Amino acid sequence: ELKVEQNPLFLSMQEGKNYTIYCNYSTTSDRLYWYRQDPGKSLESLFVLLSNGAVKQEGRLMASLDTKARLSTLHITAAVHDLSATYFCAVDRPPTSGSRLTFGEGTQLTVNP
Amino acid sequence: DSGVTQTPKHLITATGQRVTLRCSPRSGDLSVYWYQQSLDQGLQFLIQYYNGEERAKGNILERFSAQQFPDLHSELNLSSLELGDSALYFCASSVVPHNTEAFFGQGTRLTVV
Repeated sequence: ELKVEQNPLFLSMQEGKNYTIYCNYSTTSDRLYWYRQDPGKSLESLFVLLSNGAVKQEGRLMASLDTKARLSTLHITAAVHDLSATYFCAVDRPPTSGSRLTFGEGTQLTVNP
Repeated sequence: DSGVTQTPKHLITATGQRVTLRCSPRSGDLSVYWYQQSLDQGLQFLIQYYNGEERAKGNILERFSAQQFPDLHSELNLSSLELGDSALYFCASSVVPHNTEAFFGQGTRLTVV
């Protein structure tokens, strides 16, 4: 059974600081997704990482994927209050006729002024 | 706005009752997914349809069923509701059934009292 683990689960940081969220998964997969969720809201797609060594950046967020280590990271640079949200990584099962995302527990990020 | 529409946004019902949640995928998307988000279980995949046919099944209870209609909208039926079924139910859609990004709707918040 595919397991996806994120750490930390809770992160409180000051504006302007840097930090990294880690996502480990237990079985082979070449597809990893990062989503953002504001309280009570939908899941907003941030990054789709499709191959080993993939790195994507958008604003203050950068995501990377190491399929050999089964690890993805979401790096936050110079955090601002607007980044406060819960961040989920999700892994797609190995290719089959269908698709199912297995989500991590989520990292609740709070950026304090 | 992802383009995925879910109705209703909120639903309050009593134990033992049956409800139907509706999802309209993004224009052009043939695949629909249902996910459940609860405090206890996190985000869990329930079921996937592609062009009217079931493609993948997750931790969906026997009391729950779903279908995708010829116009590609989907319905998730929840019956014999229990307090523990209270959750946020998300629908997502994608163009093809696997190896592609899925876009999430705003969710239906179900409260069972």
